[in-house]
Amino acid sequence: TQLLEQSPQFLSIQEGENLTVYCNSSSVFSSLQWYRQEPGEGPVLLVTVVTGGEVKKLKRLTFQFGDARKDSSLHITAAQPGDTGLYLCAGPLINFGNEKLTFGTGTRLTIIP
Amino acid sequence: EAQVTQNPRYLITVTGKKLTVTCSQNMNHEYMSWYRQDPGLGLRQIYYSMNVEVTDKGDVPEGYKVSRKEKRNFPLILESPSPNQTSLYFCASSPRTGTGYSYGYTFGSGTRLTVV
Repeated sequence: TQLLEQSPQFLSIQEGENLTVYCNSSSVFSSLQWYRQEPGEGPVLLVTVVTGGEVKKLKRLTFQFGDARKDSSLHITAAQPGDTGLYLCAGPLINFGNEKLTFGTGTRLTIIP
Repeated sequence: EAQVTQNPRYLITVTGKKLTVTCSQNMNHEYMSWYRQDPGLGLRQIYYSMNVEVTDKGDVPEGYKVSRKEKRNFPLILESPSPNQTSLYFCASSPRTGTGYSYGYTFGSGTRLTVV
């Protein structure tokens, strides 16, 4: 059973378009993180959201944590080829300590120039 | 530069030949962990360590061993590798938070292991 479901699995769009990817769970998370992984490299942390309903912006990326802390979304405005990569959400289950992260299976994003 | 260093980056070995993948971090992090990444299965935790001499099993520990004799090092040992351990392996570290939420992991660049 996958605790964190990400959708879509694959997304290919033209440069300049907007997109949203989702991370959903039936479990509550004390915080949730988004990572981006490029081919041949390890995941790199983009953001951590902590409070239900929280919205964080990182340039053209907007991250939102659901009110019930069971889901999150990542919205990219005016996508660029440099946004290409595997996007992973991850979080510590609320009763399992803060360091043990569960990862989603990821959304593989391709931005076509 | 703050980083997690894994070696080797690529490794091809034969079934049954013991191997060690090293992991070292220079950030004085208490928490370290090993993951394997497989297509369609995502990142799965193998072992983790909350501090020196404290290790515990993750979700897929069978066939692996770890040790944490020093804070900075957390090697992954495959005593008798098998083809189903062919995978991309990542070491990660994190500070202990005490804040109620995770600060997130710093990952190494990965080790691509092929067992033939």
